[in-house]
This record gives sequence, structure tokens and C-alpha cells, in this order.
Amino acid sequence: AQSVAQPEDQVNVAEGNPLTVKCTYSVSGNPYLFWYVQYPNRGLQFLLKYITGDNLVKGSYGFEAEFNKSQTSFHLKKPSALVSDSALYFCAGLFTGGGNKLTFGTGTQLKVEL
Amino acid sequence: EAGVAQSPRYKIIEKRQSVAFWCNPISGHATLYWYQQILGQGPKLLIQFQNNGVVDDSQLPKDRFSAERLKGVDSTLKIQPAKLEDSAVYLCASSFLAGRGGTDTQYFGPGTRLTVL
Repeated sequence: AQSVAQPEDQVNVAEGNPLTVKCTYSVSGNPYLFWYVQYPNRGLQFLLKYITGDNLVKGSYGFEAEFNKSQTSFHLKKPSALVSDSALYFCAGLFTGGGNKLTFGTGTQLKVEL
Repeated sequence: EAGVAQSPRYKIIEKRQSVAFWCNPISGHATLYWYQQILGQGPKLLIQFQNNGVVDDSQLPKDRFSAERLKGVDSTLKIQPAKLEDSAVYLCASSFLAGRGGTDTQYFGPGTRLTVL
């Protein structure tokens, strides 16, 4: 079955430090991968996506993600975390033959502390 | 550009009652999606429309859930009768490109938080 996994329920990082939120996928065909962020009582906001091409994808608010086919990963990164980055982050996959149907991970709560 | 609009934002009902949610997608977006997000989980697709036709409703509990998009723009999702396990956030999303296999980005509304007592 095609799936997306986020192995960490929560990630804590100090403000100013680099952050990484992990995502791995399992698929037989080509994956199309997305990152969304959700603030309390808000909908999901699109951050970035990988469709094809350069493995390093740059997105909104200084976030970037690296697609690694050999490790089947699509980790979200930011060089310097801000307290305002604290939110719930979702990785999602759209798999070949699945229409435009997103399969979401379970989410990772990011907490950035002063 | 206006985003995806949803109403109401919050709804509390008793079990066995009915409830309806409304969604207005981004102007020009052909595809509309309804997701259910249970606390602590990622969103799960309930139904996908392309214009006013259903593309995928394989995970919609059709004995109690229904949805329509009569004129290919606004959509309503209804639950009748509601169960305790229907307590969740119901998210509406839309994307520009139509058709299967599209990789266009889905943009989400703020959601409706439903509590069933």
C-alpha cells in the first residue's frame, strides 16, 4: 500500500537553531510529495511540493525540503527556526495512479522555544 | 485572491441529529475536496468533485454522509444522523486543474469543527 510516515510526533528546537521534520514514503511508482502546516483552529497552509526536477525544493517562510529517492524521504528543513514556526506539520503524498488524492502522514508537532 | 471559505466554523449537535457544512472554493478551481480530520490524525479524503461530478467517494460513509456540488461551484456536506465518532474537523479544499493524475496544489479552508454529544 502507498503511504506516508512521519516518525516523530513532536520535535523541539531552540529558536535560531536549524530544524528538521522527517517524512518517509512507501510507493511503487513516482511520488509527488507535499508539506503543509496547520496552526491552531486554522486550515492547512501549503508550504512546498516536489513533483520532478531538482531534489531540493524551496517553499514559503524560508522552508525547504530535500527529496531523497534512495532513502524514500522528503524531510522538511529550515536553517534558523522562529518561535512563530511552532505548529503542526503534515507531509502528504500523491501517488501515480491515485488521481489527485492526497495521503497524509499523522503530523509532527513542532515546538520552537526561546 | 480570496481563499477557500467554509461555514460554520464550529458546530455542536446531539447524536442522531443532522448537520450540514458549506464550502465555497477559490474562484476558477474546478476540483473540490472534502476531508475529515480526527484529532491526532492527518486529514482523510471523503469525497472529490470535478466540476459538479463525483470523481472519488470511496471513503464516504454513504449510509449517513452525503455531498453535492450542483452548479460546479459551492458544495455542501451533510451528515444524517450524526454519531459520536463523527466528531472531527471537516476541511474543504480546492485545486485549479481538473482530472485524475493532476499534481496541482490543493488549497484548504479553515475547516468546521464538529462536536457530537
